[in-house]
Amino acid sequence: DQQVKQNSPSLSVQEGRISILNCDYTNSMFDYFLWYKKYPAEGPTFLISISSIKDKNEDGRFTVFLNKSAKHLSLHIVPSQPGDSAVYFCAASYTFGNEKLTFGTGTRLTIIP
Amino acid sequence: DVKVTQSSRYLVKRTGEKVFLECVQDMDHENMFWYRQDPGLGLRLIYFSYDVKMKEKGDIPEGYSVSREKKERFSLILESASTNQTSMYLCASSLLRGAGVEQYFGPGTRLTVT
Repeated sequence: DQQVKQNSPSLSVQEGRISILNCDYTNSMFDYFLWYKKYPAEGPTFLISISSIKDKNEDGRFTVFLNKSAKHLSLHIVPSQPGDSAVYFCAASYTFGNEKLTFGTGTRLTIIP
Repeated sequence: DVKVTQSSRYLVKRTGEKVFLECVQDMDHENMFWYRQDPGLGLRLIYFSYDVKMKEKGDIPEGYSVSREKKERFSLILESASTNQTSMYLCASSLLRGAGVEQYFGPGTRLTVT
């Protein structure tokens, strides 16, 4: 049972445009969400997170939006740059639980120069 | 700076061999995790540990065991490697409960079992 889903395996975006990566979850107990970025042959690196008490969190070019009623979150990258080409994983957790992260299957983002 | 290291970047083993994957973190983190990453399946949790000598099963523990004798070191053991354990293995660590759930990952070990 995939509790965190990324339905788009890949996405291509022109450099300078907005990239929007989507993630859906089924477990309503999740209350903390994270995005990780992964380059080939490297471990994932933390990008941005959001608690369920918020609906938006920004960090530079990256913004995460959370829609709790729809159990949906999205990552916006504006403007997209070639270095953003990577696989992006969303992950979910319970803040006061055991710190286990449940990951989605990933979306490969390709920025076209 | 946060640092998680894994003993090997690439490993080739034969079916039936016992395989040890080592992970070390220098951040004094309590929690450590082992994942495997496969195309189309994302990252799946194998085992995790909250403290020395403590371990808990993740989502796919079958065929694996772990050892945590020291706080900074977490080992993943494949008792008898099989071809379906060919994968990218990722180790991660995180701080105490309540201090946030952000996990820091090592570079990964790509294991091939022939």
